[in-house]
Amino acid sequence: NAGVTQTPKFRVLKTGQSMTLLCAQDMNHEYMYWYRQDPGMGLRLIHYSVGEGTTAKGEVPDGYNVSRLKKQNFLLGLESAAPSQTSVYFCASSVQGAGNIQYFGAGTRLSVL
Amino acid sequence: QQQVKQSPQSLIVQKGGISIINCAYENTAFDYFPWYQQFPGKGPALLIAIRPDVSEKKEGRFTISFNKSAKQFSLHIMDSQPGDSATYFCAAGGTSYGKLTFGQGTILTVHP
Repeated sequence: NAGVTQTPKFRVLKTGQSMTLLCAQDMNHEYMYWYRQDPGMGLRLIHYSVGEGTTAKGEVPDGYNVSRLKKQNFLLGLESAAPSQTSVYFCASSVQGAGNIQYFGAGTRLSVL
Repeated sequence: QQQVKQSPQSLIVQKGGISIINCAYENTAFDYFPWYQQFPGKGPALLIAIRPDVSEKKEGRFTISFNKSAKQFSLHIMDSQPGDSATYFCAAGGTSYGKLTFGQGTILTVHP
């Protein structure tokens, strides 16, 4: 049972480039989340989804887009990367929302030069 | 807007000592308070959680103390071990919400 899998694990981008981070979960969870982790800032929610075909903005959504076309996948896109988006990105999933355990992937370390 | 404030940012304790991490929240609608543990290079994992109908929850060496009137909760790690060295995050959420709000994190180092 793989749980939550994130790809890629590392990526270096130049300013203005685009990329997509993929999150896949095999636990049949309804809810999925994208966070970014920065030193001293904790985990900040970017976007989340409460089910297939739905997405909602979190705390820091600007500069990111998401899609949840399939229940098991949640994609995070950066259309025009900026140095401020250098961070470690985590995906998580849960059976439902708050009050249920969130299971995290291992993270994607992104550097934007 | 940061609705959950966590302190200290970093903590160093000796093996066998007690580690204490504190969190304060603002939203009185929150009714679920988990703590997550994160080792270097890994994603966070749930350590222990509490709901406001109890003031304390204990699981092994880990205890959450909850003060509803003060809107504060804390994690106590008894008999701290080097293997407890990690980053700890508190979080808060409401069962009517679809998400958690995390604190800033505490880097715990336990010296042998």
